[in-house]
Amino acid sequence: ILNVEQSPQSLHVQEGDSTNFTCSFPSSNFYALHWYRWETAKSPEALFVMTLNGDEKKKGRISATLNTKEGYSYLYIKGSQPEDSATYLCAFIMGNTDKLIFGTGTRLQVFP
Amino acid sequence: DAGVTQSPTHLIKTRGQQVTLRCSPKSGHDTVSWYQQALGQGPQFIFQYYEEEERQRGNFPDRFSGHQFPNYSSELNVNALLLGDSALYLCASNPQGRGEQYFGPGTRLTVT
Repeated sequence: ILNVEQSPQSLHVQEGDSTNFTCSFPSSNFYALHWYRWETAKSPEALFVMTLNGDEKKKGRISATLNTKEGYSYLYIKGSQPEDSATYLCAFIMGNTDKLIFGTGTRLQVFP
Repeated sequence: DAGVTQSPTHLIKTRGQQVTLRCSPKSGHDTVSWYQQALGQGPQFIFQYYEEEERQRGNFPDRFSGHQFPNYSSELNVNALLLGDSALYLCASNPQGRGEQYFGPGTRLTVT
């Protein structure tokens, strides 16, 4: 059974705080790691697709790193804003499949 | 350009009944994947369709079946509904099953 674990399960921060979440996945037979943001009443939206060990990607105030050898990825949000409030999901793809294996997500709430 | 659309938005069925959910992929996408999200869990992969054939399947019983049409739209059918089938069903599309997936808003199925 392949497990993708995310921590923390939920997070409450003040506007302006920086925060980070962790995604752990199997380190063998890695193909790709996806991060999605899912706002309430909307569809999940892709943030990053990461494929190479040591990858670092950035989109505005959000960035992510990838370590495929030890099986983890970090997502960072700098200077959180209320509009960052959402559930952040990571999903792992094994080398011989096309299916996303999701974690349970980290629910972020940013208070003004 | 319309994104991924799903119908219906909500559905209430009785245990033992059958249900069909529909999905239209984003324009230019030929691969459709279906996911089930139960309360408190991440989305679970059901199956993926490409060129009108099921290409990958997750750990779901045969009661879950699907179809893809020549225009790439897809249906998810669930027979002999159980209470445990109550969930949000998400459809996602991408070109040839690679790269980020584009999700629809989901269909909320309630089985009573």
